[in-house]
Amino acid sequence: GDSVTQMEGPVTLSEEAFLTINCTYTATGYPSLFWYVQYPGEGLQLLLKATKADDKGSNKGFEATYRKETTSFHLEKGSVQVSDSAVYFCALRGGATNKLIFGTGTLLAVQP
Amino acid sequence: DAGVIQSPRHEVTEMGQEVTLRCKPISGHNSLFWYRQTMMRGLELLIYFNNNVPIDDSGMPEDRFSAKMPNASFSTLKIQPSEPRDSAVYFCASNVAANNEQFFGPGTRLTVL
Repeated sequence: GDSVTQMEGPVTLSEEAFLTINCTYTATGYPSLFWYVQYPGEGLQLLLKATKADDKGSNKGFEATYRKETTSFHLEKGSVQVSDSAVYFCALRGGATNKLIFGTGTLLAVQP
Repeated sequence: DAGVIQSPRHEVTEMGQEVTLRCKPISGHNSLFWYRQTMMRGLELLIYFNNNVPIDDSGMPEDRFSAKMPNASFSTLKIQPSEPRDSAVYFCASNVAANNEQFFGPGTRLTVL
């Protein structure tokens, strides 16, 4: 079945460092891909998405490119801030289903 | 828009008691999802509804769990009897089925002693 694999955390960075959180997926057909963010004590919020190959999703300085050839959707940000500290979830929605398949989440801790 | 509303935000109960979690989806959304989040198992989809009808309940852990959606603006997740291993944060989410983004509520933190 469909699945998402993302790098384990925690990822600890200093402010203004470059961020990469790896995400790969397994799916039949052409899934839509998402990154969700969960701030402490809150529910998940959509950060960005891409619906077809080579699409780049971007929001709040974060970017991810849908790479069909490598089945990847890595999250990047050029300069992280303390306020980016959160748990980041990669997810896919495949085919005609309305279900999201989530990865296990990656905790990002940014230190001043 | 008020977003997805969940109640209560925190629930502490004793083993064996019945627990009912409530969710009000965003007005106009026709799909509703119940998730459970724990440190050990991460985020798990328990059940989802389209137009008030349960579509996939394969994630419901056992018969102690049940979910209903009597109308488009209200859903409940019930655990009876509750056990300590049910302690988790339970999230409700909703969307328009034709769109991709799911909107999550703030969650209910359940502690079963």
